[in-house]
Amino acid sequence: GQSLEQPSEVTAVEGAIVQINCTYQTSGFYGLSWYQQHDGGAPTFLSYNALDGLEETGRFSSFLSRSDSYGYLLLQELQMKDSASYFCAVRGGNAGNMLTFGGGTRLMVKP
Amino acid sequence: DVKVTQSSRYLVKRTGEKVFLECVQDMDHENMFWYRQDPGLGLRLIYFSYDVKMKEKGDIPEGYSVSREKKERFSLILESASTNQTSMYLCASSLSGWVNGYTFGSGTRLTVV
Repeated sequence: GQSLEQPSEVTAVEGAIVQINCTYQTSGFYGLSWYQQHDGGAPTFLSYNALDGLEETGRFSSFLSRSDSYGYLLLQELQMKDSASYFCAVRGGNAGNMLTFGGGTRLMVKP
Repeated sequence: DVKVTQSSRYLVKRTGEKVFLECVQDMDHENMFWYRQDPGLGLRLIYFSYDVKMKEKGDIPEGYSVSREKKERFSLILESASTNQTSMYLCASSLSGWVNGYTFGSGTRLTVV
């Protein structure tokens, strides 16, 4: 089976940097994704890491270490609109066609 | 932009009823998925389909079935609704490649009374 661990809540101030960690256990690992979900909204895709290292997209970066079964999402220059839930998700399964989500991290950005 | 449309935003059904949740996507995606979302549990995969008439069980298929007769439409069926199936149901679609991730619908909040 597959399981993911991420903190349930994180609080940070506007303008700061925050890192949301994700550790996973899976059979057949293909990659790690991150999704953002605002209250009442649909999850939206942020990033996908198949290889070790850091991927940067604007203010958001995602990191993967396959040997450590670990990844993180880094949010820089936090804005109020970044307040949302963030989910890590492992692509796995027999043919890599299943995405298993963690329980989500609720990020609260304060002024 | 890819659009994934779920037929109902809110639904209230009685215990024992047969419930159909419909999902349509407009960008010719091969893969479609049904998840349920509950507080603290994240999103759990119920069923997915990678082609017309093909389906595979996810992590929690019990009490559910699916139908994919056309590429753009993926239906979730609750054969006999129970109160523990009260949840937010999210449909998603994706291309075969994974670089662009899933596109989710806005969800259906189902309450079984």
